[in-house]
Amino acid sequence: QSALTQPASVSGSPGQSVTISCTGTSTDVAAYNFVSWYQQHPGKAPKLIIYDVTDRPSGVSDRFSGSKSGITASLTISGLQAEDEATYHCISYSGSSTWVFGGGTKLTVL
Amino acid sequence: QVQLQESGPGLVEPSGTLSLTCAVSGASLNFPFWWSWLRQPPGKGLEWIGKISYTALTEYNPSLNSRVTFSIDKSKNQFSLNLNSVTAADTARYYCARDGNFKFDAWGQGLLVTVSS
Repeated sequence: QSALTQPASVSGSPGQSVTISCTGTSTDVAAYNFVSWYQQHPGKAPKLIIYDVTDRPSGVSDRFSGSKSGITASLTISGLQAEDEATYHCISYSGSSTWVFGGGTKLTVL
Repeated sequence: QVQLQESGPGLVEPSGTLSLTCAVSGASLNFPFWWSWLRQPPGKGLEWIGKISYTALTEYNPSLNSRVTFSIDKSKNQFSLNLNSVTAADTARYYCARDGNFKFDAWGQGLLVTVSS
């Protein structure tokens, strides 16, 4: 069982928006603004798409956005495209040089 | 562009030692970054194993602390992982990654390591 709770799967049609939640506790997600999100296609390495809750690395589409409220962080993907079909992982810093991870959410583009 | 590549045996016997190396290109290990190892058991989520700094300082996941050792070879621009007394529970895809200010901003492709006799 992962320390951060993510839905196992979500789905959406092309052009729609989907939101993936990542629920932690008062000692990780709520305590630090160091939540990051990673996109992982099958057989590929995870790719950083959101860091520090809301920031996007250079080159990542602005269709990806992040937010946080209390113990829950969220990743929203707008204007869904077929290439967005992947597994999405959330990671939060939890103090004392430790990290907690979500179990990953598989996004299906219908 | 920073690139990382894991290498090592894909099969390790139970009670043996798992040894992997991560070769880094596009960035020098002489610069002030931390470098992490993570793993992902089949069908499960990611787990952080630990990290090593450019000065060879180390921090490990407490759940693995007694079995894991990291090292760094700046002359070869690579760093390594040793995990001893392995069991089937250590079967996973192992990743190396750059730990850049509370985010993992570059990853290797990963290497599947199976613990089995």
